[in-house]
Amino acid sequence: GENVEQHPSTLSVQEGDSAVIKCTYSDSASNYFPWYKQELGKGPQLIIDIRSNVGEKKDQRIAVTLNKTAKHFSLHITETQPEDSAVYFCAASIASGTYKYIFGTGTRLKVLA
Amino acid sequence: KAGVTQTPRYLIKTRGQQVTLSCSPISGHRSVSWYQQTPGQGLQFLFEYFSETQRNKGNFPGRFSGRQFSNSRSEMNVSTLELGDSALYLCASNPGTSGARTQYFGPGTRLLVL
Repeated sequence: GENVEQHPSTLSVQEGDSAVIKCTYSDSASNYFPWYKQELGKGPQLIIDIRSNVGEKKDQRIAVTLNKTAKHFSLHITETQPEDSAVYFCAASIASGTYKYIFGTGTRLKVLA
Repeated sequence: KAGVTQTPRYLIKTRGQQVTLSCSPISGHRSVSWYQQTPGQGLQFLFEYFSETQRNKGNFPGRFSGRQFSNSRSEMNVSTLELGDSALYLCASNPGTSGARTQYFGPGTRLLVL
């Protein structure tokens, strides 16, 4: 069935270092991959997304890469700051007339000052 | 534009009761999806509504139901509550137009079943 695996489940980095979170999806029909950041007591907020016709996308300190052949996509955060500390979720979605997302299990990122 | 709003934000119920949660999407958005978030299962898709019609449904028992009104506002109902229904229930909206894939989440309703 549809599944998205996400690793690692927790990640601690020193302020200024880079953080990488990886996801693998199972359904080859998936063609949209958003990343969400969830802070305590809040709903998930979109931070970046990528479509299957693109291999990489950047937005300031955040980048996402996609390898369709391997069914992998990754989130890269450079020059991490304490305010980057949160839980990050990847998701995969199929363009089939519905907006259903399959989410990964989440990564708790802690940026140490 | 105001974001997705959900009411109530917190709710305490006892086993066997039923509950109704409400979601108001971003103005102009026609698609509303519901997700259940728990520490053990993560974020799981419940159902999606578009123009008052349920377009997709996740693997949840029939105790979970929803509906969407003509103004795109949505409600979800859980009947005969079980302890395992304790969770954060998230609503997300999307414009519903072709090519618009991003879902915008509300703050959620935290349900505790005692």
